[in-house]
Amino acid sequence: EVQLVETGGGLVQPGNSLKLSCATSGFTFSTAWMNWIRQTPGKRLEWLAQIEDKSNNYFISYLESVKGRFTISRDDSKSSVYLQMNNLKEEDTAIYYCTLNYYDGTYYYPFAYWGQGTLVTVSS
Amino acid sequence: DIQMTQSPPSLSASLGDKVTITCQASQNINKYIAWYQQKPGKAPGLLIHYTSTLVSGIPSRFSGSGSGRDYSFSISNVESEDIASYYCLQYDNSPTFGAGTKLELK
Repeated sequence: EVQLVETGGGLVQPGNSLKLSCATSGFTFSTAWMNWIRQTPGKRLEWLAQIEDKSNNYFISYLESVKGRFTISRDDSKSSVYLQMNNLKEEDTAIYYCTLNYYDGTYYYPFAYWGQGTLVTVSS
Repeated sequence: DIQMTQSPPSLSASLGDKVTITCQASQNINKYIAWYQQKPGKAPGLLIHYTSTLVSGIPSRFSGSGSGRDYSFSISNVESEDIASYYCLQYDNSPTFGAGTKLELK
């Protein structure tokens, strides 16, 4: 069974940093393309970042508006993906989800699996 | 970035009704649209990908269609377990979601 478990959320002051972690199991992490997506208090969903696998040189892509502030990374030895968030703003307040793309050899399933999410609140 | 205009924002239906949600992309997305269902307190779940391909285990009362910029998602014979919010996603380019549609019981 695929499992994604996010941790690291919490209350943080504007301008501060936070690092989210996502521990995974139930699939071959080393070949997986992993993503972070957030959902705002208004329920809007926003894709933030993707990191591909080693065969694709761990290629990374970001939503333009978070480029330079957010950094996605992975540790294949720990089957984990991370999101370092710097210079946080009140508008970064959201539930942050770790998600997995899936390819079964025929079809590509975008964001096929999601964690339960971790809440980040940016407030003074 | 590709913008996804999803409508309506909310929908009221009776059990057994057919409902349709639409998403219009700001440019051609080559059928790379997916649909997700989200229930309160839960993460979204993938229902349909590549416009009309149902994920394994998803009931056939869910369907999708479209091409170019215009796409739709339908639920025929709405059941109580379908009460949720629904989101479209384009993944032809840097992924973007529609604003969502909240389906409620009339």
